[in-house]
Amino acid sequence: IQMTQSPSSLSASVGDRVTITCRAGQNIDNYVNWYQHKPGRAPHLLIYAASSLQTGVPSRFSGSGSGTDFTLTISSLAPDDFATYYCQQSYSASSFGPGTRVDIK
Amino acid sequence: QVQLVESGGGVVQPGGSLRLSCAASGFTFSDYGIHWVRQAPGKGLEWISVISFEGSNKFYADSVEGRFTVSRDNSKNTLFLQMNSLGPEDTAVYYCAKDQDSGTYIIDYWGQGTLVTVSS
Repeated sequence: IQMTQSPSSLSASVGDRVTITCRAGQNIDNYVNWYQHKPGRAPHLLIYAASSLQTGVPSRFSGSGSGTDFTLTISSLAPDDFATYYCQQSYSASSFGPGTRVDIK
Repeated sequence: QVQLVESGGGVVQPGGSLRLSCAASGFTFSDYGIHWVRQAPGKGLEWISVISFEGSNKFYADSVEGRFTVSRDNSKNTLFLQMNSLGPEDTAVYYCAKDQDSGTYIIDYWGQGTLVTVSS
């Protein structure tokens, strides 16, 4: 299943609200997960099943959506949040979106 | 705590083979599906394979189907990835990663990765 993300990159400031969109090539119900990835480190699960916050993840992260359109929102960007974010579908085997890089404005 | 440690990466010539291993600890390995995910230089994450907790179900991305084989030895808490007919496009950091709950394909722990370079 093809996954797309927009934007591919964005520049933001600490405190900004950031929204990343993920679109699936077919209806995948709520089988979407979101990960944060920083260079040289292992990816980190943020959100699973479209809207469930992984244990230990700050509440400024939230997810929404179902069917084909999904959103990851960071309500107030923190210095530690500059990274690349990936959506992943877990409906049929698996595949990742191309990623959205969030860097400092 | 959960640990996944990949090994076996290195430089291999085009057309060659390589076998990666992933040693797991800190959880009951035989209860969880395990994935392989890779990241080519400057590119995003690419899911390539999963094996079910008992090893009977295996799935692959189209890009590696027929060339890569995933297996596991639950008695040794170890996952393997046999990679054949390697090409430059297979150059990447390869991660093993654990299902949050077996069969969900929600990945909650990742190893640090092992680098595979396909070059003459």
